[in-house]
Amino acid sequence: DQQVKQNSPSLSVQEGRISILNCDYTNSMFDYFLWYKKYPAEGPTFLISISSIKDKNEDGRFTVFLNKSAKHLSLHIVPSQPGDSAVYFCAARGTGTASKLTFGTGTRLQVTL
Amino acid sequence: KAGVTQTPRYLIKTRGQQVTLSCSPISGHRSVSWYQQTPGQGLQFLFEYFSETQRNKGNFPGRFSGRQFSNSRSEMNVSTLELGDSALYLCASSPGLARAEQFFGPGTRLTVL
Repeated sequence: DQQVKQNSPSLSVQEGRISILNCDYTNSMFDYFLWYKKYPAEGPTFLISISSIKDKNEDGRFTVFLNKSAKHLSLHIVPSQPGDSAVYFCAARGTGTASKLTFGTGTRLQVTL
Repeated sequence: KAGVTQTPRYLIKTRGQQVTLSCSPISGHRSVSWYQQTPGQGLQFLFEYFSETQRNKGNFPGRFSGRQFSNSRSEMNVSTLELGDSALYLCASSPGLARAEQFFGPGTRLTVL
């Protein structure tokens, strides 16, 4: 049962344009959502998070939007840079004492010149 | 502040052997979680430790075990290795239970022959 889904395995965007990465979830009990960026042979790097009580969080070029009614979140990167090319994972944390993160399958972003 | 460190970075073992992986969290972080990343299953939660107690366990067989020491350092052990245990094993640390963000180490690449 895939509780966190990233339906687009890959995305290609031109440098300077907006990158939009999407994530859907099925469990209403998640209380935090996070985005990570991962390069090959490295651990995931934390980018940005959002609480389930908010609908937007911004940090520099990164903005995460949460639509609870649609159980959907998205990560916007503006402007996209070649160094943003990586695999992006969304993750969700359960409520209560279950602080484990459930990850999506990842979206490979390629930022072209 | 130094990040999460994991040792060793690479390991090659044969079927039936056992292996111990080590993780040192970010200074001051008391929660340590372990994840397995494989091409087919993505990032899967193994277990989480907080103040030397296992708080949460993923859906893995009993061959996978772990522990946390009083200095928050953690080890995980896999006994009777199988070919399918070949994966990148990632350790993540977090300041405590209230924070959702987890910070990952570079991982240990385990190859089982």
